[in-house]
Amino acid sequence: LAKTTQPISMDSYEGQEVNITCSHNNIATNDYITWYQQFPSQGPRFIIQGYKTKVTNEVASLFIPADRKSSTLSLPRVSLSDTAVYYCLVGYSSASKIIFGSGTRLSIRP
Amino acid sequence: EPEVTQTPSHQVTQMGQEVILRCVPISNHLYFYWYRQILGQKVEFLVSFYNNEISEKSEIFDDQFSVERPDGSNFTLKIRSTKLEDSAMYFCASSESTGELFFGEGSRLTVL
Repeated sequence: LAKTTQPISMDSYEGQEVNITCSHNNIATNDYITWYQQFPSQGPRFIIQGYKTKVTNEVASLFIPADRKSSTLSLPRVSLSDTAVYYCLVGYSSASKIIFGSGTRLSIRP
Repeated sequence: EPEVTQTPSHQVTQMGQEVILRCVPISNHLYFYWYRQILGQKVEFLVSFYNNEISEKSEIFDDQFSVERPDGSNFTLKIRSTKLEDSAMYFCASSESTGELFFGEGSRLTVL
């Protein structure tokens, strides 16, 4: 399974766009890239998933370059409630062993 | 919106006791998982379950752990003889084959 590397923590301010980059140099051809969000004392929550190029939903955008060795989660106009840990995962869609890395602790300030 | 439900939300037990954590996955999902998270640490994979058998398990999931889907709706995690280091939040998750996991709110286990 491809290993992922993310910044341990990031800080930003309300109203800013936040970009969290994840490196996954050993990504395999059939691997997808998935991001989860976790608030304290809650289970992780799916944010977005992509295979290549760009994916956008009502919450975030996911940018994946052509070589797929990295990906960037973009959160537009963050608010205090976006303070959470964000996890980047890489694996194929029906994988039965889905491993979370250490995640990025995002802190949003007023 | 369908959700994964877990019980109990919090259980306190004595070291050496057996604990059963229960989960009701989303009804049309086929893949089931247990994860745990020790306070302040990352989410750790324990086991995945598909077609009534274990698909994958981690090195954490030793002989003290077992999983079962006894009645087609519940998915349980049993810890036979709890240790202090088993204290953690245990999360159940389920999915279709899309890679999107749906997590429950977790069961906090405290071993004294």
